[in-house]
Amino acid sequence: AQSVTQPDIHITVSEGASLELRCNYSYGATPYLFWYVQSPGQGLQLLLKYFSGDTLVQGIKGFEAEFKRSQSSFNLRKPSVHWSDAAEYFCAVGRAGAQKLVFGQGTRLTINP
Amino acid sequence: DTAVSQTPKYLVTQMGNDKSIKCEQNLGHDTMYWYKQDSKKFLKIMFSYNNKELIINETVPNRFSPKSPDKAHLNLHINSLELGDSAVYFCASSRKDVGGSPLHFGNGTRLTVT
Repeated sequence: AQSVTQPDIHITVSEGASLELRCNYSYGATPYLFWYVQSPGQGLQLLLKYFSGDTLVQGIKGFEAEFKRSQSSFNLRKPSVHWSDAAEYFCAVGRAGAQKLVFGQGTRLTINP
Repeated sequence: DTAVSQTPKYLVTQMGNDKSIKCEQNLGHDTMYWYKQDSKKFLKIMFSYNNKELIINETVPNRFSPKSPDKAHLNLHINSLELGDSAVYFCASSRKDVGGSPLHFGNGTRLTVT
């Protein structure tokens, strides 16, 4: 069965600092991997996705993520965070032909001014 | 233009009542979903429909009954509401499956059962 682990429940960084949010997945075949962001009171917005090909994927709002098969990881990064990046971030895994995404438990990001 | 819209945004009701949440998407997607987000923010799929046909039913109690009158709409009806049903319910849609296109989410319905 697919599973996703986001080891950090809550992360606090200063504005302008770099960010890395961790995501580890468990899946037998090549997964489809996603990062979503949820602002308070809002639905989830897709930041980026990995299906195949280049293991470094670029997303919206200056985010990127790197797929590392050997580590079963898909960590999200941003070189310099902005106060507006404060939100909940979810990693998710799916597979080809499936209609189900399995989500991690989320990481809450707080930005210090 | 709201891609996936769900109503109401907030729903407060008493135990034992029956309530419905409506969802509509204008993206032309074939597949729609209901996800439940609990108090710890954990998201779990409840149902998925593809062209009005039920595809996924994730061990959800029978009190929850989705209805898809057409592929642009997926409503969720809940009978005999219980305290544990309090959560945020998200509707989502995708073109076919998660590989075909990512999920597009509505803004959620916060259900509070007292």
